[in-house]
Amino acid sequence: ETAVFQTPNYHVTQVGNEVSFNCKQTLGHDTMYWYKQDSKKLLKIMFSYNNKQLIVNETVPRRFSPQSSDKAHLNLRIKSVEPEDSAVYLCASSFRGNTLYFGEGSRLIVV
Amino acid sequence: AQSVTQPDARVTVSEGASLQLRCKYSYSGTPYLFWYVQYPRQGLQLLLKYYSGDPVVQGVNGFEAEFIKSNSSFHLRKASVHWSDSAVYFCAVSAGGDNSKLIWGLGTSLVVNP
Repeated sequence: ETAVFQTPNYHVTQVGNEVSFNCKQTLGHDTMYWYKQDSKKLLKIMFSYNNKQLIVNETVPRRFSPQSSDKAHLNLRIKSVEPEDSAVYLCASSFRGNTLYFGEGSRLIVV
Repeated sequence: AQSVTQPDARVTVSEGASLQLRCKYSYSGTPYLFWYVQYPRQGLQLLLKYYSGDPVVQGVNGFEAEFIKSNSSFHLRKASVHWSDSAVYFCAVSAGGDNSKLIWGLGTSLVVNP
């Protein structure tokens, strides 16, 4: 049963455009994450938020920014997409660092 | 460097056969080890995890894994696979269970032929 909801599931856009992905979790978890899964299936963490505070910010390009209104929501904004941003973006949540629960992913294609 | 290696990108088995998916890790501290599964068009789900104690851990749907420290391995096993087990399986390791420091393997795509 899905409890981490991502929208949109699929998005095609042109280089230079702005894109936002939304994520909501209904599990009452205290931490949310964004991962990037590339074409080789490699998963890399991009951001995590704990109680509205950014606690991990890996060396991702500055055009990426997380946005959170409360602990149940963590959106991902890409200011000016580039071809290498084509990937699946996975949102996840956890409670006190325990098991990760993932959404179904948002596939981005940059043309 | 810390890493997780899943040497088999794709494994094909027949329904009812036994299964082993290999995972080897390189980690300097005490590893916390995980297996996640990604079914088609779904997010990743935890199958099992190992922190300490009995090196053989049981997971969901009949899966188990064995931690062998001397071999730096954490292979996933199942006695008899079902076609619904077809998915991508990811091995991961972290320090102290810190999700923000999880290191992931590239995954093994399992195809179960009916």
